Amino acid sequence: GAGVSQSPSNKVTEKGKDVELRCDPISGHTALYWYRQSLGQGLEFLIYFQGNSAPDKSGLPSDRFSAERTGGSVSTLTIQRTQQEDSAVYLCASSLGSATSYEQYFGPGTRLTVT
Amino acid sequence: AQKVTQAQTEISVVEKEDVTLDCVYETRDTTYYLFWYKQPPSGELVFLIRRNSFDEQNEISGRYSWNFQKSTSSFNFTITASQVVDSAVYFCALSMRSNDYKLSFGAGTTVTVRA
Repeated sequence: GAGVSQSPSNKVTEKGKDVELRCDPISGHTALYWYRQSLGQGLEFLIYFQGNSAPDKSGLPSDRFSAERTGGSVSTLTIQRTQQEDSAVYLCASSLGSATSYEQYFGPGTRLTVT
Repeated sequence: AQKVTQAQTEISVVEKEDVTLDCVYETRDTTYYLFWYKQPPSGELVFLIRRNSFDEQNEISGRYSWNFQKSTSSFNFTITASQVVDSAVYFCALSMRSNDYKLSFGAGTTVTVRA
Protein backbone atom coordinates (compact mmCIF):
# COMPACT_ATOMS: atom_id res chain seq x y z
CA GLY A 1 0.00 0.00 0.00
CA ALA A 2 0.93 3.65 -0.17
CA GLY A 3 3.38 4.97 2.37
CA VAL A 4 3.51 8.33 4.10
CA SER A 5 3.67 11.17 1.63
CA GLN A 6 4.82 14.73 2.19
CA SER A 7 4.67 17.85 0.11
CA PRO A 8 6.45 19.83 -1.06
CA SER A 9 9.68 17.87 -1.19
CA ASN A 10 11.67 21.09 -1.21
CA LYS A 11 10.75 24.59 -0.15
CA VAL A 12 12.88 27.70 -0.38
CA THR A 13 11.44 30.76 1.31
CA GLU A 14 12.56 34.19 2.34
CA LYS A 15 13.03 35.05 5.97
CA GLY A 16 9.80 36.35 7.46
CA LYS A 17 7.46 34.48 5.15
CA ASP A 18 4.99 31.81 6.28
CA VAL A 19 5.20 28.22 5.03
CA GLU A 20 2.89 25.22 5.14
CA LEU A 21 4.11 21.64 5.02
CA ARG A 22 1.72 18.80 4.33
CA CYS A 23 1.68 15.18 5.45
CA ASP A 24 -0.55 12.33 4.28
CA PRO A 25 -0.23 9.39 6.67
CA ILE A 26 -0.71 5.74 5.85
CA SER A 27 -4.41 4.91 5.63
CA GLY A 28 -5.69 3.51 8.91
CA HIS A 29 -2.87 4.93 11.02
CA THR A 30 -4.30 6.93 13.88
CA ALA A 31 -1.04 8.29 15.28
CA LEU A 32 0.87 10.99 13.44
CA TYR A 33 4.18 12.58 14.46
CA TRP A 34 6.24 15.48 13.13
CA TYR A 35 10.00 15.52 13.59
CA ARG A 36 12.74 17.87 12.45
CA GLN A 37 16.20 16.88 11.30
CA SER A 38 18.93 19.49 11.29
CA LEU A 39 22.70 19.33 11.34
CA GLY A 40 23.07 20.86 14.74
CA GLN A 41 20.15 19.23 16.55
CA GLY A 42 19.83 15.82 14.95
CA LEU A 43 16.35 14.29 14.87
CA GLU A 44 13.95 15.98 17.27
CA PHE A 45 10.27 15.53 18.03
CA LEU A 46 7.92 18.41 17.27
CA ILE A 47 4.26 17.42 17.67
CA TYR A 48 2.07 14.33 18.03
CA PHE A 49 -1.54 13.62 17.07
CA GLN A 50 -3.51 10.59 18.23
CA GLY A 51 -7.00 10.16 16.86
CA ASN A 52 -9.26 13.00 17.94
CA SER A 53 -7.32 13.79 21.10
CA ALA A 54 -5.69 17.15 21.68
CA PRO A 55 -2.22 17.17 20.11
CA ASP A 56 0.95 17.01 22.15
CA LYS A 57 2.78 20.19 21.18
CA SER A 58 5.58 19.84 23.71
CA GLY A 59 8.31 19.69 21.06
CA LEU A 60 7.42 22.81 19.11
CA PRO A 61 10.41 25.20 19.38
CA SER A 62 8.40 28.44 19.40
CA ASP A 63 4.90 29.82 19.03
CA ARG A 64 5.66 30.48 15.37
CA PHE A 65 5.10 26.76 14.83
CA SER A 66 1.64 25.21 14.72
CA ALA A 67 0.04 22.12 13.27
CA GLU A 68 -3.36 20.71 12.65
CA ARG A 69 -4.78 17.43 11.57
CA THR A 70 -8.05 17.40 9.71
CA GLY A 71 -10.45 14.49 9.83
CA GLY A 72 -7.91 12.37 11.61
CA SER A 73 -5.87 12.07 8.45
CA VAL A 74 -3.92 14.80 6.64
CA SER A 75 -1.76 17.08 8.75
CA THR A 76 -0.35 20.52 8.02
CA LEU A 77 2.63 22.02 9.84
CA THR A 78 2.74 25.81 9.60
CA ILE A 79 5.72 27.98 10.37
CA GLN A 80 5.04 31.69 10.59
CA ARG A 81 7.61 34.42 10.09
CA THR A 82 10.31 31.91 9.17
CA GLN A 83 13.83 32.37 10.47
CA GLN A 84 17.09 31.00 9.12
CA GLU A 85 17.34 28.59 12.05
CA ASP A 86 14.12 26.97 10.82
CA SER A 87 16.06 25.53 7.87
CA ALA A 88 15.91 21.76 8.24
CA VAL A 89 14.26 18.63 6.91
CA TYR A 90 10.78 18.19 8.36
CA LEU A 91 9.73 14.57 8.66
CA CYS A 92 6.28 13.17 9.20
CA ALA A 93 5.64 9.68 10.55
CA SER A 94 2.54 7.63 11.22
CA SER A 95 1.81 4.48 13.18
CA LEU A 96 -1.11 2.25 13.93
CA GLY A 97 -1.90 3.75 17.29
CA SER A 98 -0.88 4.43 20.84
CA ALA A 99 -1.96 1.26 22.65
CA THR A 100 1.55 0.06 22.26
CA SER A 101 4.65 1.25 20.54
CA TYR A 102 4.03 0.33 16.98
CA GLU A 103 6.83 1.18 14.62
CA GLN A 104 6.58 4.57 12.99
CA TYR A 105 6.77 4.84 9.23
CA PHE A 106 8.34 7.98 7.86
CA GLY A 107 7.66 10.05 4.79
CA PRO A 108 10.42 11.36 2.51
CA GLY A 109 10.49 14.71 4.28
CA THR A 110 10.30 18.35 3.24
CA ARG A 111 13.60 20.18 2.98
CA LEU A 112 13.02 23.76 4.07
CA THR A 113 15.58 26.42 3.28
CA VAL A 114 15.09 29.91 4.66
CA THR A 115 17.17 32.56 2.89
CA ALA B 1 14.33 11.64 30.96
CA GLN B 2 15.46 9.39 28.16
CA LYS B 3 18.61 9.42 26.14
CA VAL B 4 20.15 7.43 23.31
CA THR B 5 23.87 7.44 22.66
CA GLN B 6 25.56 6.21 19.52
CA ALA B 7 29.23 6.67 20.21
CA GLN B 8 30.38 5.75 16.71
CA THR B 9 30.12 8.67 14.32
CA GLU B 10 31.40 6.91 11.22
CA ILE B 11 32.33 3.36 10.24
CA SER B 12 33.98 2.40 6.98
CA VAL B 13 34.30 -1.22 5.87
CA VAL B 14 35.04 -3.22 2.78
CA GLU B 15 32.23 -5.20 1.22
CA LYS B 16 31.52 -8.56 2.90
CA GLU B 17 32.88 -7.44 6.24
CA ASP B 18 30.54 -7.48 9.24
CA VAL B 19 29.53 -4.17 10.80
CA THR B 20 28.38 -3.75 14.39
CA LEU B 21 26.70 -0.53 15.49
CA ASP B 22 26.63 0.35 19.17
CA CYS B 23 23.68 1.91 20.98
CA VAL B 24 23.37 2.72 24.67
CA TYR B 25 20.14 4.06 26.13
CA GLU B 26 18.87 5.61 29.34
CA THR B 27 15.33 5.49 30.65
CA ARG B 28 13.55 5.21 33.98
CA ASP B 29 10.62 3.34 32.48
CA THR B 30 10.45 -0.40 32.97
CA THR B 31 8.59 -0.88 29.70
CA TYR B 32 10.15 0.63 26.63
CA TYR B 33 10.87 -0.09 23.01
CA LEU B 34 14.02 0.11 20.98
CA PHE B 35 14.34 0.58 17.25
CA TRP B 36 16.87 0.75 14.49
CA TYR B 37 16.20 2.94 11.45
CA LYS B 38 18.24 3.30 8.27
CA GLN B 39 18.56 6.56 6.33
CA PRO B 40 20.10 5.99 2.90
CA PRO B 41 21.38 8.88 0.78
CA SER B 42 17.86 9.35 -0.60
CA GLY B 43 16.92 10.68 2.84
CA GLU B 44 13.91 8.58 3.84
CA LEU B 45 14.03 6.92 7.24
CA VAL B 46 13.40 3.20 6.88
CA PHE B 47 12.26 1.07 9.81
CA LEU B 48 14.49 -1.98 10.36
CA ILE B 49 13.79 -3.62 13.69
CA ARG B 50 11.94 -3.18 16.99
CA ARG B 51 12.59 -4.80 20.34
CA ASN B 52 10.47 -4.68 23.51
CA SER B 53 12.15 -4.24 26.88
CA PHE B 54 10.55 -7.38 28.26
CA ASP B 55 11.97 -9.60 25.54
CA GLU B 56 15.73 -9.93 25.63
CA GLN B 57 15.88 -12.72 23.10
CA ASN B 58 18.28 -11.83 20.38
CA GLU B 59 17.32 -12.59 16.83
CA ILE B 60 18.60 -12.74 13.33
CA SER B 61 16.68 -11.49 10.34
CA GLY B 62 18.47 -12.11 7.09
CA ARG B 63 21.77 -10.25 7.29
CA TYR B 64 20.63 -8.23 10.30
CA SER B 65 20.99 -9.30 13.91
CA TRP B 66 20.76 -7.49 17.20
CA ASN B 67 22.04 -7.93 20.71
CA PHE B 68 19.81 -6.49 23.43
CA GLN B 69 21.25 -6.46 26.95
CA LYS B 70 19.23 -4.76 29.68
CA SER B 71 22.04 -5.19 32.19
CA THR B 72 24.23 -2.82 30.21
CA SER B 73 21.38 -0.81 28.57
CA SER B 74 22.72 -1.65 25.17
CA PHE B 75 21.01 -2.49 21.89
CA ASN B 76 23.68 -3.25 19.32
CA PHE B 77 22.97 -3.98 15.68
CA THR B 78 25.04 -6.07 13.28
CA ILE B 79 25.02 -6.24 9.52
CA THR B 80 26.60 -9.47 8.33
CA ALA B 81 28.45 -9.64 5.02
CA SER B 82 27.92 -5.96 4.29
CA GLN B 83 27.04 -4.73 0.82
CA VAL B 84 27.46 -1.36 -0.86
CA VAL B 85 23.69 -0.83 -0.59
CA ASP B 86 24.05 -0.91 3.19
CA SER B 87 25.81 2.46 3.05
CA ALA B 88 23.58 4.79 5.03
CA VAL B 89 23.15 6.56 8.35
CA TYR B 90 21.78 4.24 11.01
CA PHE B 91 19.76 5.59 13.92
CA CYS B 92 18.97 3.89 17.19
CA ALA B 93 15.77 5.12 18.85
CA LEU B 94 13.86 4.68 22.09
CA SER B 95 10.18 5.11 22.91
CA MET B 96 8.06 4.71 26.03
CA ARG B 97 4.38 4.76 26.86
CA SER B 98 4.98 7.52 29.41
CA ASN B 99 6.12 9.70 26.53
CA ASP B 100 3.34 8.75 24.10
CA TYR B 101 5.82 6.62 22.21
CA LYS B 102 7.62 9.61 20.73
CA LEU B 103 10.94 8.48 19.35
CA SER B 104 14.13 9.73 20.94
CA PHE B 105 16.93 9.25 18.46
CA GLY B 106 20.64 8.84 18.81
CA ALA B 107 22.93 11.03 16.73
CA GLY B 108 23.33 8.34 14.09
CA THR B 109 26.25 6.34 12.73
CA THR B 110 27.31 6.79 9.12
CA VAL B 111 28.23 3.46 7.55
CA THR B 112 30.22 3.42 4.33
CA VAL B 113 30.69 0.11 2.58
CA ARG B 114 33.41 0.16 -0.08
CA ALA B 115 33.40 -2.24 -2.99
